[in-house]
Amino acid sequence: EAGVAQSPRYKIIEKRQSVAFWCNPISGHATLYWYQQILGQGPKLLIQFQNNGVVDDSQLPKDRFSAERLKGVDSTLKIQPAKLEDSAVYLCASSLTGTGWNTEAFFGQGTRLTVV
Amino acid sequence: AQRVTQPEKLLSVFKGAPVELKCNYSYSGSPELFWYVQYSRQRLQLLLRHISRESIKGFTADLNKGETSFHLKKPFAQEEDSAMYYCALNDGGFKTIFGAGTRLFVKA
Repeated sequence: EAGVAQSPRYKIIEKRQSVAFWCNPISGHATLYWYQQILGQGPKLLIQFQNNGVVDDSQLPKDRFSAERLKGVDSTLKIQPAKLEDSAVYLCASSLTGTGWNTEAFFGQGTRLTVV
Repeated sequence: AQRVTQPEKLLSVFKGAPVELKCNYSYSGSPELFWYVQYSRQRLQLLLRHISRESIKGFTADLNKGETSFHLKKPFAQEEDSAMYYCALNDGGFKTIFGAGTRLFVKA
């Protein structure tokens, strides 16, 4: 089966600029996650969607980060304006559902963001 | 609040030696525990989960609810096991959180 697709793979922007990341999950997967992975740390959940509804966004810095999942399929994560500390790999993952046996998360390759 | 702790950032062993990657968690309910692995230049992927009680690539992990641990073990490490390993917890209500990860380096 096709995996989780993310674009772009790399992005370099100046601080205070805006950036958007795109994710296409595995077909049929209801749950979609965005994680932020700062160098040397584990993935940190930013936001989780179940279909097109938000399940958890408690760790999303809402003053600058926003995310949406159109029609319960593709998702975009936006940062506006970016700060130096936003430099990280942004991982998108999807799972069949969020509970039970179907919680295995399938990850994309990630987008490496560098803010200069 | 849920938390996953991996106390070792780096673990270095010789080929053929036993390896144990530690994972402790804090969660008041009945969690699902996972080990994910990331090989060099590859995406993060599931290695094993506690509810399936399986052995993958020679690795096993036992959930110890009394000690709130889910350590990953392999009796004889191979060079191809060198990777980043992440312990993860799902709270049964959709959220999956990850530990900081342990880099395993298997020396020839």
